[in-house]
Amino acid sequence: AQKVTQAQTEISVVEKEDVTLDCVYETRDTTYYLFWYKQPPSGELVFLIRRNSFDEQNEISGRYSWNFQKSTSSFNFTITASQVVDSAVYFCALLTSGTYKYIFGTGTRLKVLA
Amino acid sequence: KAGVTQTPRYLIKTRGQQVTLSCSPISGHRSVSWYQQTPGQGLQFLFEYFSETQRNKGNFPGRFSGRQFSNSRSEMNVSTLELGDSALYLCASSLGLLNTGELFFGEGSRLTVL
Repeated sequence: AQKVTQAQTEISVVEKEDVTLDCVYETRDTTYYLFWYKQPPSGELVFLIRRNSFDEQNEISGRYSWNFQKSTSSFNFTITASQVVDSAVYFCALLTSGTYKYIFGTGTRLKVLA
Repeated sequence: KAGVTQTPRYLIKTRGQQVTLSCSPISGHRSVSWYQQTPGQGLQFLFEYFSETQRNKGNFPGRFSGRQFSNSRSEMNVSTLELGDSALYLCASSLGLLNTGELFFGEGSRLTVL
């Protein structure tokens, strides 16, 4: 079975705190892709990052960083020095070469308080 | 360049009616996929079209259907509406040949069924 679990339904932090959003995935395919998307209040999801199953390097982009660990089937997302504009719902997604269907997690709502 | 456009943005229907939602992808994108977003369920994949052909389908009843036109615009239809169909319906486009890249989402059509 293919599945994405985002156990954190909602997280509240104070501005400038660091926050990590967890994502655990399940798949038996050896080739797959992992994504993070951000959904601001306007509704449209915005792409943040894609990782393929053969690339376990961590990635940093400004205040954002991603930790991909195949050993624990996790693809966690950290925001450093959070800002109010980071408030949104964040979705982790899995795409496997077997089905080419995106499987999204249920999302984590992040609230950054000023 | 113009993003993904979905119309209408909001609509209210009653049980038993049908509804048609429209999606115009980014110019040059040939793949259009549809998702249903409800609280607690996250994004559920409905179907994906590529070059006017349904390439992939999620686990939704036959009341949910779609099509894609030669200009890549897509429509989805829900017949015999039920209360549980109330949701945000999101359309996403991509260049699409293998569909492993990022998705570009519209702002969604929010359907309320009374």
